[in-house]
Amino acid sequence: QVQLVESGGGLVKPGGSLRLSCAASGFTFSDYYMSWIRQAPGKGLEWVSYISSSGSTIYYADSVKGRFTISRDNAKNSLYLQMNSLRAEDTAVYYCARDTRGAGMGAFDIWGQGTMVTVSS
Amino acid sequence: SYELTQPPSVSVSPGQTASITCSGDKLGDKYACWYQQKPGQSPVLVIYQDSKRPSGIPERFSGSNSGNTATLTISGTQAMDEADYYCQAWDSSLYVFGTGTKVTVL
Repeated sequence: QVQLVESGGGLVKPGGSLRLSCAASGFTFSDYYMSWIRQAPGKGLEWVSYISSSGSTIYYADSVKGRFTISRDNAKNSLYLQMNSLRAEDTAVYYCARDTRGAGMGAFDIWGQGTMVTVSS
Repeated sequence: SYELTQPPSVSVSPGQTASITCSGDKLGDKYACWYQQKPGQSPVLVIYQDSKRPSGIPERFSGSNSGNTATLTISGTQAMDEADYYCQAWDSSLYVFGTGTKVTVL
């Protein structure tokens, strides 16, 4: 079945780094844009970044620009988020999501279960 | 930056209709979609392109978008519909989520 599984979350000190991964299965990964979306504890959803199907187009939310890097490996059906210079306000559950922008829908139709990132000293 | 505003909470009796609004500048010129999120679970897409339902989403969920407001309507609300709901819009480079609405089925 269509599935996204995130990994790589954990506890990190302010200023530290973490790399999240998202393994896709059940669909042709290389056909789809992909996004990272986060949700701070008890708060709403915040889009973080998206990457086009080929990896040639990338955008970031202003809150993470210059600190986070999104990438993908279509041969491995995997999406990544490299997070540097982490701050307390980056503490959140991070979801990867299948992004239907390429089909003109602009919606996230498949979500992973999320991975928790905690930034604290 | 673009913002989408939703009421913090909506209460509805079982079997009645719940309407959740999402307001943003010229939102009607963009596509809006809606997500349902139950406690401890990942969001689920319930409406895309203003009014379309993904496969598996019950017909009681419907959507509209015009002017500055998109609306999610739940007809014949059931206890299982109690959840947080988020609207979302997109443009050429960015995505924006609404502030979220907690729907309580009394």
